[in-house]
Amino acid sequence: GAVVSQHPSRVICKSGTSVKIECRSLDFQATTMFWYRQFPKQSLMLMATSNEGSKATYEQGVEKDKFLINHASLTLSTLTVASAHPEDSSFYICSARDRAENEKLFFGSGTQLSVL
Amino acid sequence: GESVGLHLPTLSVQEGDNSIINCAYSNSASDYFIWYKQESGKGPQFIIDIRSNMDKRQGQRVTVLLNKTVKHLSLQIAATQPGDSAVYFCAENDGDENSGSRLTFGEGTQLTVNP
Repeated sequence: GAVVSQHPSRVICKSGTSVKIECRSLDFQATTMFWYRQFPKQSLMLMATSNEGSKATYEQGVEKDKFLINHASLTLSTLTVASAHPEDSSFYICSARDRAENEKLFFGSGTQLSVL
Repeated sequence: GESVGLHLPTLSVQEGDNSIINCAYSNSASDYFIWYKQESGKGPQFIIDIRSNMDKRQGQRVTVLLNKTVKHLSLQIAATQPGDSAVYFCAENDGDENSGSRLTFGEGTQLTVNP
């Protein structure tokens, strides 16, 4: 199956710094990527839909100036958490849709962000 | 909508038993459903999917049943093994191309397999 690589897997940073998370589709082209956020013992909550070459579509309640998404190529989307604060600490997961495999979504391994 | 709550539903089974994990979905327009397995600290892993024009689909040791009348989805795991211990999520696709056909995840069920 298709492989989605997410990096880094874990980040610890000081409050006020910005953190960039990368999501790459390794063996397929992903015109659409999705970013999720997951708190402990809870489900995945969709943050935004990222389309290659256009602006991301954010879910209600997600601050676009806080969570900056760039999808500059068919294999790479990045999520930048700007001026991170402790309440931004969470598990962030990306996924990519492979059109060649119908509508299946393939997920990255996630990034655990801890803001001190 | 948002998933609220601090406690995942749990299911505890003995190794070798069959497991049944249930999920209720809310959108009657959803036309595609997927079950994912998530191990601690990892991203979700695809298990099996089913389209709304089917009511049953089988994979290796897993079966998904779809009841559109009551908007219910279930995952059956045969001969459950310790390696099956994880959180299982159902997800529905609303089939709306304008939204990128995004997935909405259920609350998840923690499956624990006792040796």
